[in-house]
Amino acid sequence: QVQLVESGGGVVQPGRSLRLSCTASRFIFSYYAMHWVRQAPDKGLEWVALMSSDGSKQHYGDALKGRFTISRDNSKNTLYLQINGLRADDTAVYYCARDNGGPVGAFDLWGQGTMVTVSS
Amino acid sequence: DIVLTQSPDSLAVSLGERATINCTSSQSVFYSANNRHFLAWYQLRPGQPPRLLIYWASTRESGVPDRFSGSGSGTDFTLTISNLQAEDVALYFCQQYTSTPHTFGQGTKLDIK
Repeated sequence: QVQLVESGGGVVQPGRSLRLSCTASRFIFSYYAMHWVRQAPDKGLEWVALMSSDGSKQHYGDALKGRFTISRDNSKNTLYLQINGLRADDTAVYYCARDNGGPVGAFDLWGQGTMVTVSS
Repeated sequence: DIVLTQSPDSLAVSLGERATINCTSSQSVFYSANNRHFLAWYQLRPGQPPRLLIYWASTRESGVPDRFSGSGSGTDFTLTISNLQAEDVALYFCQQYTSTPHTFGQGTKLDIK
C-alpha cells in the first residue's frame, strides 16, 4: 500500500553522526515535497526540515541549521536526514511525512518513525 | 517565526459529548492568492504516527469521521470533536504551513471523563 518507512535510528554516542532514511512505496515520490518531523519523549511535534519535490530547495528549523542536512534520491524513492554532532536533546522519534500541497500543503502521509537515542 | 498557542493544554470530556480545542496564531495564516488558511490539525495516539485530520483550516481529510470539524479564520481556529468516542483519546496538534518553519502548537491532551 501507499506508505513511508523510516530506518537508520538507534543508540548513538554524543558527537557522532547518523543518517536516517525514508523509503516511499506505491506513489510517485518525485511529485511531492517531503518533510522530517520529530517528537522528543513526552514532548510535542517539532518540524525539522523540508525538501522540495525536485530537491532544489531545502528549509530547516531555526535551531537545527548547520547540523542537519535533508536530501533525497528520487531514483530510489528515498528521503534522507543527515544529523551531525548529535546531542542528548536530539533524542526523539523521527518521522518523515509527505506534503499534500502543490507546492505547499499539510502532511497527509507519515511513516511509523525511527527512534534516535543519544547517550554515552 | 509563527507561534501557535493551543488551549487548553488538556481536557476531559464524557463519551458522546463535544470536545473543543483552540489554536491561536501569532500572525495571520491566510494566503490571499488562493483564499485559504494554511492551518492543519493532527491526531497523535500512543505508538502511532500522527494522522492528518483537517487541512486548509476546515477541509476534512479523506477517511476522517465527520465528527471531526475545523473552523476559524485569521489567527483563531478551532477543532471540534462531536459525539466523543473512546478512540478519540489522543494528543491533538495544530500546525501552520504558511511559511517555514512549519510550526506546531504545543499540543492538547484529550481524555475521557
